[in-house]
Amino acid sequence: GQQLNQSPQSMFIQEGEDVSMNCTSSSIFNTWLWYKQDPGEGPVLLIALYKAGELTSNGRLTAQFGITRKDSFLNISASIPSDVGIYFCAGQLNDMRFGAGTRLTVKP
Amino acid sequence: KAGVTQTPRYLIKTRGQQVTLSCSPISGHRSVSWYQQTPGQGLQFLFEYFSETQRNKGNFPGRFSGRQFSNSRSEMNVSTLELGDSALYLCASSRTSGRDNEQFFGPGTRLTVL
Repeated sequence: GQQLNQSPQSMFIQEGEDVSMNCTSSSIFNTWLWYKQDPGEGPVLLIALYKAGELTSNGRLTAQFGITRKDSFLNISASIPSDVGIYFCAGQLNDMRFGAGTRLTVKP
Repeated sequence: KAGVTQTPRYLIKTRGQQVTLSCSPISGHRSVSWYQQTPGQGLQFLFEYFSETQRNKGNFPGRFSGRQFSNSRSEMNVSTLELGDSALYLCASSRTSGRDNEQFFGPGTRLTVL
């Protein structure tokens, strides 16, 4: 089963609002990744983080690799309707472990 | 550059049958990992292949097996299908195996077992 605790499970926000989600683990990881999955499709890689403390942006997305190597967060600024989907965090040591996902709904 | 492709996209089987799913990685990628995704269990790691060798294996029964060919294409086989095997099966490719390695997913094969 999953070893990552991802929260929140779901979010309902208004278009234009900022969003924040995070993942924590009892284990350390060498890499943290964030994916977005649309219905019926495979997850798409959004951001990859390789170093503790690293802060990386990809357009309106910003993610950080926690200093303890046991957590990561993803922020989405100024949300738009196409941000709708399920966001997964993944931690990698030897294999990849995934969080349960955050389901994001954006109301226009 | 073409992404990860998986065939077939949809499959319906009955209990007791067996099934083979195929995955073609991104050109130049030598590692292929397989995952099972269900609403109840989320994304669970099945196994990883690199250079035709199984590198890692998740906690699934022996009915789940895989292999990788010299061109890095991979197949996954599930024998004696059970109702609980209904899921989205995803493969992901990466350049190499191990740490600091971004995985790129295919669209998945939706398997329904009746």
